[in-house]
Amino acid sequence: SQELEQSPQSLIVQEGKNLTINCTSSKTLYGLYWYKQKYGEGLIFLMMLQKGGEEKSHEKITAKLDEKKQQSSLHITASQPSHAGIYLCGADQAGGGNKLTFGTGTQLKVEL
Amino acid sequence: GAVVSQHPSWVICKSGTSVKIECRSLDFQATTMFWYRQFPKQSLMLMATSNEGSKATYEQGVEKDKFLINHASLTLSTLTVTSAHPEDSSFYICSARGRGNTGELFFGEGSRLTVL
Repeated sequence: SQELEQSPQSLIVQEGKNLTINCTSSKTLYGLYWYKQKYGEGLIFLMMLQKGGEEKSHEKITAKLDEKKQQSSLHITASQPSHAGIYLCGADQAGGGNKLTFGTGTQLKVEL
Repeated sequence: GAVVSQHPSWVICKSGTSVKIECRSLDFQATTMFWYRQFPKQSLMLMATSNEGSKATYEQGVEKDKFLINHASLTLSTLTVTSAHPEDSSFYICSARGRGNTGELFFGEGSRLTVL
């Protein structure tokens, strides 16, 4: 199975600052999913990346997948308190887009 | 959009009892659902794949007899933690894929189990 590492494990930023979270796989990814979770709650889908070099944006969040499809980054511009939570990357193991292996998670806190 | 609902949201039980958690796809049919487990401040670990009308597929290290999965219909999968012990206390989350190969996996709200 694929191993996913996320960095940093935790992050504290001031409101308005930009930040980047990285997700690195030991193998080539069929697909990479980004989710946000508030502790003790379900996961909120953010974005899915499938093609090498792909980049997607939604509001102030941009996700990229490198050409080799082994590393993805999630970038938040002008962070807000509402961005606080746990960000998880999930890798598609078998190419079907159903069963995901999750990274270790990055806990983000945004200070006023 | 597609919604996956879990019930109960939280449950407290005595050691030795069994607890059933339901996962429902509310506005779509899901032939496959997935059950994850999450320990405090850790990531999600896939436990098993629930297949409608057939046996579940368990990940390595997950006890089949301990975590019984039943996927009796296209909108319902259940996870039963049998003879629960304190070490089974965890946050359990299910997921299902929306119809039409959208690529998006929908997750339930999660169920927190505490075994006393």
